[in-house]
Amino acid sequence: NAGVTQTPKFQVLKTGQSMTLQCAQDMNHEYMSWYRQDPGMGLRLIHYSVGAGITDQGEVPNGYNVSRSTTEDFPLRLLSAAPSQTSVYFCASSYYAGGLLYGYTFGSGTRLTVV
Amino acid sequence: DQQVKQNSPSLSVQEGRISILNCDYTNSMFDYFLWYKKYPAEGPTFLISISSIKDKNEDGRFTVFLNKSAKHLSLHIVPSQPGDSAVYFCAATLANAGKSTFGDGTTLTVKP
Repeated sequence: NAGVTQTPKFQVLKTGQSMTLQCAQDMNHEYMSWYRQDPGMGLRLIHYSVGAGITDQGEVPNGYNVSRSTTEDFPLRLLSAAPSQTSVYFCASSYYAGGLLYGYTFGSGTRLTVV
Repeated sequence: DQQVKQNSPSLSVQEGRISILNCDYTNSMFDYFLWYKKYPAEGPTFLISISSIKDKNEDGRFTVFLNKSAKHLSLHIVPSQPGDSAVYFCAATLANAGKSTFGDGTTLTVKP
C-alpha cells in the first residue's frame, strides 16, 4: 500500500520557470490538500479538494494552480516560480466519515528551491 | 490572524518523564482536533485526535485533553521516550470544510 506518493522529491527552478508537483494516492480518499512548510513555521494550506472536479483555495493560493480530474491525482502547478516559493511542499489525503474529517495521510514532501 | 497557536517552539524533557505540549485556538466553530508528529525529511504522521464533544482521548502513551471553554488542547506523552523526539503539530478542522488549520509546531527533545 503506497499511500500518498509525491514526485519529485527535490527540484531546483530558476525564477520565472513553471513546473508541476505530482501527487497520487491509492486509498480512495475523497479529500486532498497541498500544504507548504517554511523554516520554523507550520503547514500553510495552498489549495484543497473535496472530491474529483472540486477544488478551492486555502490560505496562500497565489502563484499556484490545481486541478482534480480523478480521485487519485491532485497535481500542483507553479505558474511562474519566485524565490518566495522556496519551501517544502506536502500533499495529503483524508476521508470524511461520521461528520468528521479524519487524520491526513501525508506524502514525504517535495523540497523546492527557486533561484 | 493565526487561528491555531502553539506558543512553545521547543520543549525538552528527561526520558521517562511526562511531556506536555499545548495548543490554543481562536475559532469556537472548530469541531475536531488532531496531533501530528514529524521527523526531519519526512511528512507528518497522524498521532491522535479528539472530537469537540469529548474532553479526553487516550491511545497508549498518548492522551489528548480538550478544554473548550478555554479553547485549549494539550497532548500528554507518558512516559516519554527518546524516539518521541520530533516536531509536534496540532491542527483543527471545521465540519464539512474539508481542510485543517495547523499550528507552527513544537520541537520535543527527550533526553536519555
